[in-house]
Amino acid sequence: KNEVEQSPQNLTAQEGEFITINCSYSVGISALHWLQQHPGGGIVSLFMLSSGKKKHGRLIATINIQEKHSSLHITASHPRDSAVYICAVDKTSGSRLTFGEGTQLTVNP
Amino acid sequence: SAVISQKPSRDICQRGTSLTIQCQVDSQVTMMFWYRQQPGQSLTLIATANQGSEATYESGFVIDKFPISRPNLTFSTLTVSNMSPEDSSIYLCSVGASGTAAGNTIYFGEGSWLTVV
Repeated sequence: KNEVEQSPQNLTAQEGEFITINCSYSVGISALHWLQQHPGGGIVSLFMLSSGKKKHGRLIATINIQEKHSSLHITASHPRDSAVYICAVDKTSGSRLTFGEGTQLTVNP
Repeated sequence: SAVISQKPSRDICQRGTSLTIQCQVDSQVTMMFWYRQQPGQSLTLIATANQGSEATYESGFVIDKFPISRPNLTFSTLTVSNMSPEDSSIYLCSVGASGTAAGNTIYFGEGSWLTVV
């Protein structure tokens, strides 16, 4: 069993829909990261969470440390949100990450 | 923040040859990491590049296959040696910076797409 599990693996939505991607982990962590990877391969950090909730534009990330669970929400989704979203955990606060398998999101116009 | 320049961005390599990937950061960082992403899969850590000492390799990765240099706090190279088609992957370098006690914001290079034929 992977230490970091994401669901769903694939997600197709219509423009404007509210989207949720889930991440569960089975190890102790110092921080959890949500990353976005576009088809060209580049990876961008969206959030780093150690507790609570963060919001940036249409993106919201939450984490429940007791439940070992995090969610990434996208409000009013847009085709440009189409990408792979990756959950990763830092077990030691040393920036060495363990990754989930990623969620391929496709938003259709 | 940190800006990472990685090259080459893409290459097609002959079986049995070696290729060196370079990663340049615009600020000094303690930890640099090299990851591999095989087609359709998520990222796997190859090694931690340590400045002034040998890299620390993850299980399944060895120095003879993936030698790493880290001559200073802004630069590192990863060489993929004696390549086979199974080495066709995206290779990415990563650093952590601008952090808190819980951890750092993670920055990635643009990735190097290697295809071995």
